[in-house]
Amino acid sequence: AQSVTQLDSQVPVFEEAPVELRCNYSSSVSVYLFWYVQYPNQGLQLLLKYLSGSTLVKGINGFEAEFNKSQTSFHLRKPSVHISDTAEYFCAVSNFGNEKLTFGTGTRLTIIP
Amino acid sequence: GAVVSQHPSWVICKSGTSVKIECRSLDFQATTMFWYRQFPKQSLMLMATSNEGSKATYEQGVEKDKFLINHASLTLSTLTVTSAHPEDSSFYICSARDGDRGNTEAFFGQGTRLTVV
Repeated sequence: AQSVTQLDSQVPVFEEAPVELRCNYSSSVSVYLFWYVQYPNQGLQLLLKYLSGSTLVKGINGFEAEFNKSQTSFHLRKPSVHISDTAEYFCAVSNFGNEKLTFGTGTRLTIIP
Repeated sequence: GAVVSQHPSWVICKSGTSVKIECRSLDFQATTMFWYRQFPKQSLMLMATSNEGSKATYEQGVEKDKFLINHASLTLSTLTVTSAHPEDSSFYICSARDGDRGNTEAFFGQGTRLTVV
């Protein structure tokens, strides 16, 4: 069994400030890790993913995440946020060879002008 | 990237009626599609895995007779909420994997907001 914990349900950040959204996972086997963004009343869009190799992963819209195996974390970061980054962000995990995604509870990022 | 189209985007129905939601992969073939349910301000919960040409696999606690899934072709899966009740009101989202891209990325539909009155 696997699980994902997103420690912050809401994160308010001033525009142009940096942000970090935290994600920790639990799994008995190796995993793939994902961050998705959801805008109101829409589906999910993939921001970035970690499959293997370099632990620092760069995604769309200036986001990046770092895989830390020892801490079982995959935190999402952006050095300078914009109003358009206001959305819900979900961390997800899947096992090798298993197509099912397990999602965290989500973090609502609110950008303050 | 690959596109998954979900229809309708929203639907309002009377209690006791059935509602069908379609999920299509527009530019790739998907042998497997997934159906999720999302309650307000909560995460996505996997309901079932839809397999082309065979029966769907339901997650524990999901009533298969309530949520009928049909995956009749490599590009279409449907979810029918039968005898809908107000507690079935929710946001339903489907996803599919592009087999040519390997087992790593799922593409999501835009979701369907179901309101049962």
